[in-house]
Amino acid sequence: IVLTQSPGTLSLSPGERATLSCRASQSVSSGYLAWYQQKPGQAPRLLIYGESTRATGIPDRFSGSGSGTDFTLTISRLEPEDFAVYHCHQYGSSLTFGGGTKVEIK
Amino acid sequence: EVQLVESGGGLIQPGGSLRLSCEVSGFTFSKYAMNWVRQAPGKGLEWVSGISDSGGSTYSADSVKGRFTISRDNSKSILFLQMNSLRVDDTALYYCAKNQLSVVTAPIDIWGQGTMVTVSS
Repeated sequence: IVLTQSPGTLSLSPGERATLSCRASQSVSSGYLAWYQQKPGQAPRLLIYGESTRATGIPDRFSGSGSGTDFTLTISRLEPEDFAVYHCHQYGSSLTFGGGTKVEIK
Repeated sequence: EVQLVESGGGLIQPGGSLRLSCEVSGFTFSKYAMNWVRQAPGKGLEWVSGISDSGGSTYSADSVKGRFTISRDNSKSILFLQMNSLRVDDTALYYCAKNQLSVVTAPIDIWGQGTMVTVSS
């Protein structure tokens, strides 16, 4: 399954809402879709799994939605620490990752 | 504290071999599936290989199938990746990554800091 993330780069200001898209080339089994945040020089951090379940310690401004082939990560109000690269990941059929979306400060 | 510490990376010529290791602590290693995920400089993440909790089931991406072998030693809490016939496009930071469950079809919840592999003549 190929995952395509859009946009490649999102330029926003702190306090704004961020909407990131992840589209799969075929249906993702049982909603096995996760989102990760990665900051420069750091390993990825799990944010969301099972389409919409927040991982431990993840603030509720992060939310995941979608089904089938179209998924969305929403950050309701961007905090300064949220500017990073976000990766989607499907783990239902031969694991794959999307190409990433960079959220940068406008 | 959960820790995954990778080692074994370095500079290697095309066609060469390397063996990566990942020593884990802070959780019961034998209960969880594990993976190797790589990231080429400035690029996205690419899943490489996964192994079930017992080691009885292994999976690999097409790009490394037949060249890379994942294995584990549950008695020592160590994950391995044997990499043969290395190519320039295998150059990447290799992450050791723990799954939430005993099977590979589960989210990755913990990542190591990675070990860099550079394939160049």
